[in-house]
Parts: sequence; C-alpha cells; structure tokens
Amino acid sequence: ETGVTQSPTHLIKTRGQQVTLRCSSQSGHNTVSWYQQALGQGPQFIFQYYREEENGRGNFPPRFSGLQFPNYSSELNVNALELDDSALYLCASSLRDSSYEQYFGPGTRLTVT
Amino acid sequence: AQSVTQLDSQVPVFEEAPVELRCNYSSSVSVYLFWYVQYPNQGLQLLLKYLSGSTLVKGINGFEAEFNKSQTSFHLRKPSVHISDTAEYFCAVILRQGAQKLVFGQGTRLTINP
Repeated sequence: ETGVTQSPTHLIKTRGQQVTLRCSSQSGHNTVSWYQQALGQGPQFIFQYYREEENGRGNFPPRFSGLQFPNYSSELNVNALELDDSALYLCASSLRDSSYEQYFGPGTRLTVT
Repeated sequence: AQSVTQLDSQVPVFEEAPVELRCNYSSSVSVYLFWYVQYPNQGLQLLLKYLSGSTLVKGINGFEAEFNKSQTSFHLRKPSVHISDTAEYFCAVILRQGAQKLVFGQGTRLTINP
C-alpha cells in the first residue's frame, strides 16, 4: 500500500510569485484535504476535494486554489504569494465515506522571501 | 464551530517517567477525536483515535488516551517515555456528520531528558 506523497519537499519563492504543490493520494483513497501549518502552530484546513470538486473550504482567500485529477491526485496553487504564506503545506487523503480518518503526507516546506 | 485547546505548549520529562498531555475541546455537536504526532521535519502520523465505544483508547508506541465527555477532554498518556518520543503532539477533532476538516490544537512539544 503506497502512502501519501508530496512534491517538492522544499521550495523558495519570492513575494508576488505563484506556486504549485502536488500530492498523490494513498492507494484507494478518493478524497484529498490540504492544510497549512505555520511555524509553531497547528495545521489549518484550507480545502478538501472529492470527485474533482471542492468539497469544503476553510478561511483562506481565493488566491488559494486547488485541483483534483481523475486518479485522485491533487494540486494546491497559491497566487500572489505573501510573506505570511511561508509554512509547511500538508496534504491528507481519505475515503469519502470515512473522511474523518485522514492520512498525511510529509509536507512541502514553502519559504516566501 | 469547534475548537481545541492543548493546555501545555511544552512538556519536559525524564526518560522512563510517565507523561500526560492535556487536550480540551469545544463543540456543539458530536465529534471524533484524534491525537497525531509530528517528528522533526516530517508530516503528521496518527497515534490514536476515539470514534465510539470504550472511552479508553490505545494507540501506537504505547500511548493511550481517555475520552471524558463531561469534561470535554481527551488527554494523552504514556506510562514510560523514551528518548524517541521527543516530538510535537497535536490533538484534533472532526465533526461526526459531514466530516471535512480536522480542527487542531496548537500542539505540545514533548521533550525527553536522559
């Protein structure tokens, strides 16, 4: 059974740029959730995708957007990067019928300078 | 809305000593409860979960937690810690109905001293 994978592991961007982060779900999982974890904080829910559609969103501005593909992998896109976007971005996969049980990937560390 | 409060930001203990990490939650509807562990520079790993049934749940690595509905608490315990337990621990809740987002506490940093 393949776990959740994310890429890249680290990246550095400049304020105002755009970034795309990628996530591959655990085998058999059809739902993907994204979280932002700022330094020293607990993760904050960004949004969830099921059947290629957004299925819930946290308190994040529209410049945070996502995609889910037919193979259930997902992308998180952030436009017009701000310094406060620097964080660990975590992807979690689950089954729709048991989406309370989420399995996390290792995360992508984004630094905005 | 749901919220989670982890009462201690840092907990230092000596190796082989017992430890308790405290978690209280607030929710107007029923929730499931979780504890996750995060080792340095890694993602989150599920330690244990409470869905229903016995209020004492056992997880991996010798950890256990007790759900107390009247006190809205879900404290994590281990009778004897090891150096390898040094990590950040997060308590989280999620709605039983329409589950979408995990709501996390701020985390407790557990430091084990030799």
